Amino acid sequence: AQTVTQSQPEMSVQEAETVTLSCTYDTSESNYYLFWYKQPPSRQMILVIRQEAYKQQNATENRFSVNFQKAAKSFSLKISDSQLGDTAMYFCAFTPNFGNEKLTFGTGTRLTIIP
Amino acid sequence: DSGVTQTPKHLITATGQRVTLRCSPRSGDLSVYWYQQSLDQGLQFLIQYYNGEERAKGNILERFSAQQFPDLHSELNLSSLELGDSALYFCASSVAMRGGESTDTQYFGPGTRLTVL
Repeated sequence: AQTVTQSQPEMSVQEAETVTLSCTYDTSESNYYLFWYKQPPSRQMILVIRQEAYKQQNATENRFSVNFQKAAKSFSLKISDSQLGDTAMYFCAFTPNFGNEKLTFGTGTRLTIIP
Repeated sequence: DSGVTQTPKHLITATGQRVTLRCSPRSGDLSVYWYQQSLDQGLQFLIQYYNGEERAKGNILERFSAQQFPDLHSELNLSSLELGDSALYFCASSVAMRGGESTDTQYFGPGTRLTVL
């Protein structure tokens, strides 16, 4: 069974600073996808970024980037130039094979951006 | 806007009752997933349908059932409701194998907040 661990229940950072959220996972699969989802106070689940395990290059989406360390089973999210709108719960998630299967979520990190 | 719609947004009902949650996937998506988000259990996968057929089951109670219709919309039926069923219920959709290519990203609807009193 796959597990996803987010060891930081809460974090806060000043606006415009950089913050890194940690995620580790455990799986015996060799092909899988990893995701970061954001859940703002509206409770909507919003996809932030996606990483395919077979790609060595780290995914980047504007101010969001990941540090994917496959051997260490680590998948951290870096938010640069943080903005007030980044305040949200952030969930790391895993799906095996090439998708088409359930997402397994971590417990989330509550991120607060301080003005 | 993810393109996934869920109705109703809020539902308040009493213990012992039955409710139906509805989900319309993004245009072209064949796979629908249901998740439950509660305070003590986090985000839990309930069930997946692909092109009308049940594909995978997670931690779904026997009191709960789901189906996916020919137009690909899905309904989650919750019966004999208990206080502990109060939660946010999400539907997500993905293309999941179209033209032989697997696409993996699940897009979430806005959720239905169920309150059981």
